[in-house]
Amino acid sequence: SQKIEQNSEALNIQEGKTATLTCNYTNYSPAYLQWYRQDPGRGPVFLLLIRENEKEKRKERLKVTFDTTLKQSLFHITASQPADSATYLCALGSGSARQLTFGSGTQLTVLP
Amino acid sequence: GAGVSQSPRYKVAKRGQDVALRCDPISGHVSLFWYQQALGQGPEFLTYFQNEAQLDKSGLPSDRFFAERPEGSVSTLKIQRTQQEDSAVYLCASSLEAAQETQYFGPGTRLLVL
Repeated sequence: SQKIEQNSEALNIQEGKTATLTCNYTNYSPAYLQWYRQDPGRGPVFLLLIRENEKEKRKERLKVTFDTTLKQSLFHITASQPADSATYLCALGSGSARQLTFGSGTQLTVLP
Repeated sequence: GAGVSQSPRYKVAKRGQDVALRCDPISGHVSLFWYQQALGQGPEFLTYFQNEAQLDKSGLPSDRFFAERPEGSVSTLKIQRTQQEDSAVYLCASSLEAAQETQYFGPGTRLLVL
């Protein structure tokens, strides 16, 4: 069955450092992968999308990589700030099905 | 704002009661999704509409769950004879076009079944 694993349930880092979150998947051939941010009591908010034929995408302090051979995506937040503290979800999508398949998320805490 | 809205935000139901959860997508958005999110987990797909057509309901956990979008805008997720295992946050998301991958989520309805 399809499985998505995000590296750890919780990650604590010091302000100013780079946070790296991992998303691994099995038994899936996604056409694209997305990263969402979710704050307590709120719905997920879209951050970045990367397609299967792309290796890397950047947006401001965010960077995502996608390795379809390793079946892994890495999500980086550089120069992290306490305001970056949230749960980050990776989500996979295929070309045919419209729904997203989500991982369980990694709760990031950036310490001042 | 012009985002996705959901109501009610919180719902407490006694086991066996029926509940109805409402989603107002972003105006003009063709696609609408319902997801269920258990505590500490990621959202899990329930059902998908393109305009008023329910194209995929493969994620609905039982025949007690029913969703509709009769005029292609507002959608209602109905749960009949609620059970304790139905307790979760129900998220609605919409996207502008059928081919658009990015989804815009509402704040969710937190359902607690006692």
